[in-house]
Amino acid sequence: DGGITQSPKYLFRKEGQNVTLSCEQNLNHDAMYWYRQDPGQGLRLIYYSQIVNDFQKGDIAEGYSVSREKKESFPLTVTSAQKNPTAFYLCATMSGGAYNEQFFGPGTRLTVL
Amino acid sequence: SQQGEEDPQALSIQEGENATMNCSYKTSINNLQWYRQNSGRGLVHLILIRSNEREKHSGRLRVTLDTSKKSSSLLITASRAADTASYFCATALTGGGNKLTFGTGTQLKVEL
Repeated sequence: DGGITQSPKYLFRKEGQNVTLSCEQNLNHDAMYWYRQDPGQGLRLIYYSQIVNDFQKGDIAEGYSVSREKKESFPLTVTSAQKNPTAFYLCATMSGGAYNEQFFGPGTRLTVL
Repeated sequence: SQQGEEDPQALSIQEGENATMNCSYKTSINNLQWYRQNSGRGLVHLILIRSNEREKHSGRLRVTLDTSKKSSSLLITASRAADTASYFCATALTGGGNKLTFGTGTQLKVEL
């Protein structure tokens, strides 16, 4: 997990509230990613950013938003439009060009009550 | 839909035995990667095998890739209780650039 921090580790929110998950990296990697993981499932890509001030939708972007104002930071906002927000959220980075390995943060477990 | 499907979904073995898990995928890939996830933690990269490679080793790990069958296997030899985790394959699709598509994972339990 070294070099990528996600906070908080556990987050509880009431239904209908927006919530922002933090992801910070000191690896100097250009590309950053947000994934969602449901129990017993694989990872699904929400959004990714290959460079500052640019990002693209992944497979399940509806109900989520992101920003990439700094190379080190890629916050994810889970909006009230996301129907089933309770999940484990993972942030990752990738170095260099395409087709490399990804490095993951420790994750944030979001529970919407 | 998931690009990679892993088999088996769960595997329970005794310490010292070998563990084999398989991954199948659907479209042309640049490389295939294996990751490990301990419960409630982030993923850790284990090994990457490129589409022009057939076999790769790293310590007790052996990965094979058969592009004609669109499948890969991960073998962990002489397993230890500390190997208990979920293992995921991820494919970097040809032309997919910086994205990975993850499989559904195999839950491995190594018992003493």
